[in-house]
Amino acid sequence: GAVVSQHPSWVICKSGTSVKIECRSLDFQATTMFWYRQFPKQSLMLMATSNEGSKATYEQGVEKDKFLINHASLTLSTLTVTSAHPEDSSFYICSAADSGRAGADTQYFGPGTRLTVL
Amino acid sequence: KQEVTQIPAALSVPEGENLVLNCSFTDSAIYNLQWFRQDPGKGLTSLLLIQSSQREQTSGRLNASLDKSSGRSTLYIAASQPGDSATYLCAVPTGNQFYFGTGTSLTVIP
Repeated sequence: GAVVSQHPSWVICKSGTSVKIECRSLDFQATTMFWYRQFPKQSLMLMATSNEGSKATYEQGVEKDKFLINHASLTLSTLTVTSAHPEDSSFYICSAADSGRAGADTQYFGPGTRLTVL
Repeated sequence: KQEVTQIPAALSVPEGENLVLNCSFTDSAIYNLQWFRQDPGKGLTSLLLIQSSQREQTSGRLNASLDKSSGRSTLYIAASQPGDSATYLCAVPTGNQFYFGTGTSLTVIP
C-alpha cells in the first residue's frame, strides 16, 4: 500500500529557532500534499495545501511567512516553522494525494511530527 | 464549508461491550467517509472507508454505516477490547480537502 513518511517524528527546539519537517510519499507521486496541525485533545485542522512546483495555499488564519512550505518534487514537501515559539508546539501531520488517482479519497497520511518549543 | 461533529466526545465502557460512535456532517456532497484510529501521540490509522454509494462497510469487529441524505455515519465496535482504547476520528473529503471530526476518545476497561 501507499506509504507516507515524515521526518523527524519528534523534535524539541528552543524558542526563536526554525524547524523543518519533511513529508515524503515513498511509492507514489504526489502532486498535492496537505499539512495539518493537531493541538492536544483537538482534531486535525488543515493548515495549507502544498502543490508541486507552485505556491502553497494557506487556510485562513495560518501565517504563510511563519509556516513556509516547499514542494519541490513529486515525492517531497517540507514545512518550515520559522522563529518557533511555544505556542507553535503541536502535532503536525501531512497527507499526500496519489497523482495517479483522482479525488480526495486517495490521500495517505504520514505518522506525524511532534514539535515541542521550549 | 463542511463541518463534522462527533458524539460522544469521550466514552468509557467495560470490556466486551458493543458500542456505537456517531459522526455527522453538514454537506452531503461527499465522495466517501473514512474512520480513523489515533493512538496517543501517534498518527492516523485508517479503519474503514465507506463510499458515498455504499450503506455500510465491515472489517472484523468494526462496522461503519453511512446515511448520506441525513449526513450521518456510525461506527459500531463489537465485543470491545482494551486494545480498542484510542481516539476515533471520522473524516469527510470534500473537494480536495479532508474535514475531520472532533473525535471520540474511547477507553475500554479490562
